Amino acid sequence: ETGVTQSPTHLIKTRGQQVTLRCSSQSGHNTVSWYQQALGQGPQFIFQYYREEENGRGNFPPRFSGLQFPNYSSELNVNALELDDSALYLCASSPRGFAGYTFGSGTRLTVV
Amino acid sequence: GQQLNQSPQSMFIQEGEDVSMNCTSSSIFNTWLWYKQDPGEGPVLLIALYKAGELTSNGRLTAQFGITRKDSFLNISASIPSDVGIYFCAGQLGRTGGTSYGKLTFGQGTILTVHP
Repeated sequence: ETGVTQSPTHLIKTRGQQVTLRCSSQSGHNTVSWYQQALGQGPQFIFQYYREEENGRGNFPPRFSGLQFPNYSSELNVNALELDDSALYLCASSPRGFAGYTFGSGTRLTVV
Repeated sequence: GQQLNQSPQSMFIQEGEDVSMNCTSSSIFNTWLWYKQDPGEGPVLLIALYKAGELTSNGRLTAQFGITRKDSFLNISASIPSDVGIYFCAGQLGRTGGTSYGKLTFGQGTILTVHP
């Protein structure tokens, strides 16, 4: 079974631009969450999607938005990028009701 | 908001030694998880704990869910070089979490270095 795959692995954006990150969940997993991990820190919860709807959100501004598609894959969109948005963005999936999320390898975003 | 305090922040040990790290919270969780993260990778689940007082093993790893539901610890016995990495605890409220049902709250990590 394939795990969680994220794309791209790395990208560099300029302050003020917009970015879209993509995630394919593990087979059979219908719940997808996104996390931001700053250097030297633990991951911070951005939001979770279930049945194509946002189902929980952390302390992130509205310029962080997402989508989940019928095949359970997901996108994270960040508008008006700021320098502090530079981080590793992790996608995690799980079957509904199971806490043991499977994480992807992440997308390293650098904002210059 | 909830915060997890994980300690120690880093450990330098000799191969073969046992390791212990812990995590405390200002509020309760209904699930405790331990993850390991290698450089350039996402966290990998090591152990999940679902019940206060639960003690669970996974090979050389043993973790416990504190009876107050506000703490957890992880032990690694007979460490080997491949144990090197960053270990994170994470708590989840689960069904009592309302709209934050799936949210995992992570500690800041323990960096483990194992000298051969």
